[in-house]
Amino acid sequence: KQEVTQIPAALSVPEGENLVLNCSFTDSAIYNLQWFRQDPGKGLTSLLLIQSSQREQTSGRLNASLDKSSGRSTLYIAASQPGDSATYLCAVMGETSGSRLTFGEGTQLTVNP
Amino acid sequence: DAGITQSPRHKVTETGTPVTLRCHQTENHRYMYWYRQDPGHGLRLIHYSYGVKDTDKGEVSDGYSVSRSKTEDFLLTLESATSSQTSVYFCAITKLAGVSTDTQYFGPGTRLTVL
Repeated sequence: KQEVTQIPAALSVPEGENLVLNCSFTDSAIYNLQWFRQDPGKGLTSLLLIQSSQREQTSGRLNASLDKSSGRSTLYIAASQPGDSATYLCAVMGETSGSRLTFGEGTQLTVNP
Repeated sequence: DAGITQSPRHKVTETGTPVTLRCHQTENHRYMYWYRQDPGHGLRLIHYSYGVKDTDKGEVSDGYSVSRSKTEDFLLTLESATSSQTSVYFCAITKLAGVSTDTQYFGPGTRLTVL
């Protein structure tokens, strides 16, 4: 059974700092890994999707990397802003699970002005 | 944003009563999913559908049933609500399945409280 773990569970940083969120998964047989953002009381918004054949994806100040063999991914946020405050969720799509996603519990990020 | 709506957005009900949550999409996507989100557990898949009248169980399906009679609507029913089903419920859709570029789009959620 796939298990996804995110560390840390919560993170508080001053504005402008670069930061890294971590995600690990137990079964490396995946189609892709996705990072989502969730604002309080809202649904999930897809940030980045890394296919299993890729090493990283970038969108603006966000960069996500994938090391499939070691079961790890990182989300790098450059020059953090208060508007980045949210919960960040990592999810993997397993090769034998169709399109079903297995989620981590998320990292709650607070960026202080 | 993907055209996904959930209704109701908030509901308070009593133990033992039936509850139906609705997910409606305007994207004509084939695949639809119901998740619940709870502290300490993240999002967990309840049921999913890969087409009209084609549904299957997820990891936490006990106490829930689903129906999909039209592409655009996916209903989640709690036959007899229990306090352990107090949660936030999310619907998601995707166009393809088992494809490396596949991503899911989520609705705004329904907050259900069972007293």
